[in-house]
Amino acid sequence: AQSVSQHNHHVILSEAASLELGCNYSYGGTVNLFWYVQYPGQHLQLLLKYFSGDPLVKGIKGFEAEFIKSKFSFNLRKPSVQWSDTAEYFCAVNGFGNEKLTFGTGTRLTIIP
Amino acid sequence: DTGVSQDPRHKITKRGQNVTFRCDPISEHNRLYWYRQTLGQGPEFLTYFQNEAQLEKSRLLSDRFSAERPKGSFSTLEIQRTEQGDSAMYLCASSLGSRFGAFFGQGTRLTVV
Repeated sequence: AQSVSQHNHHVILSEAASLELGCNYSYGGTVNLFWYVQYPGQHLQLLLKYFSGDPLVKGIKGFEAEFIKSKFSFNLRKPSVQWSDTAEYFCAVNGFGNEKLTFGTGTRLTIIP
Repeated sequence: DTGVSQDPRHKITKRGQNVTFRCDPISEHNRLYWYRQTLGQGPEFLTYFQNEAQLEKSRLLSDRFSAERPKGSFSTLEIQRTEQGDSAMYLCASSLGSRFGAFFGQGTRLTVV
């Protein structure tokens, strides 16, 4: 069975600080990996995805994530956060050819102006 | 707005009543998914359609739950004899395929009193 762990439940940062949110997955095969963001009062939005090729993927709003196969990790990074990045962030995985997405429990990110 | 649309946004119902939710996916997406999200958790997969065929159902989907996607367009999720434990946010998503990521609607928040 596939599973996703997000160890940081709530992260508080000041504006301009660098961000790294952890995501580890468990799945015995080729995976597709995703980060979603949910801004307050809004729906889940796809931030970035990885399915093959360069393990460093860039998404919207200056976010990037690195797939490290040996560590079963897909951490999300941003060099300098803004107040508008305050949101909940979810990591998700599905297996190659498997439509079911498995989500982590999410990380709430609060940016202090 | 050409995103995924869900109706209603909120539903309050008495225990034992039946409820039905509707989802209109992005028009060119042939995959449609239902997820459920409770407070502090990530979305949990319920079921998945490819066109009009329901191809996968989670064990979370008890006999009281039924989903349809007639003609491969919109979908409905019905819950019969609602219980307090059914209170959650019900999310619909659509996609072109597993590696593309799913695009989510705003959700229907169900409260069973």
